Amino acid sequence: GDSVTQTEGLVTVTEGLPVKLNCTYQTTYLTIAFFWYVQYLNEAPQVLLRSSTDNKRTEHQGFHATLHKSSSSFHLQKSSAQLSDSALYYCALSLANSGTYQRFGTGTKLQVVP
Amino acid sequence: EAAVTQSPRNKVTVTGGNVTLSCRQTNSHNYMYWYRQDTGHGLRLIHYSYGAGNLQIGDVPDGYKATRTTQEDFFLLLELASPSQTSLYFCASSAPAGTNERLFFGHGTKLSVL
Repeated sequence: GDSVTQTEGLVTVTEGLPVKLNCTYQTTYLTIAFFWYVQYLNEAPQVLLRSSTDNKRTEHQGFHATLHKSSSSFHLQKSSAQLSDSALYYCALSLANSGTYQRFGTGTKLQVVP
Repeated sequence: EAAVTQSPRNKVTVTGGNVTLSCRQTNSHNYMYWYRQDTGHGLRLIHYSYGAGNLQIGDVPDGYKATRTTQEDFFLLLELASPSQTSLYFCASSAPAGTNERLFFGHGTKLSVL
């Protein structure tokens, strides 16, 4: 089968410091793309990053992630966390098996404190 | 910007009750999905569809039926609701794989089964 693992349920970081959210995956199906979604309080999830290229850095809104197929990872990083980054972050795979769908991790809540 | 509209926004029912959640997208997307969101489990796929009349089973389909009546409309049916189905339900749509297949989510339906 296929799975996405986000090991941290909660990450707390001080404003201005770097942050890293971990994502690893296992898949036996054709994996089309990798995503990070962000969900702010009382809102719907929305896409933050997408990547389908091995070892290529993808950036958006100050966040970046690099897909490493050799280690089955797609970690999300930011060099300087802002209070407004506090949200729930999901890593997801886009898979092709009986059509296409996305498999999500359990999510990591990022809390940025002053 | 793509639009996905869910109704109702909130629903309360009793155990054994019959519930229909509605979703309409105006993006001309082929794919539509139903997810449930629960703390500690993240977003889990219930059912999905890649066109009118098509239905695919997701990861947590037990107790749920779904029907895609048109390209725009996707319904989730709980015919004998149970307390374990208390959750936040998200509908989403996407373009086919390889064509920017990011998910566009509706604002969610909060369902409480008493």
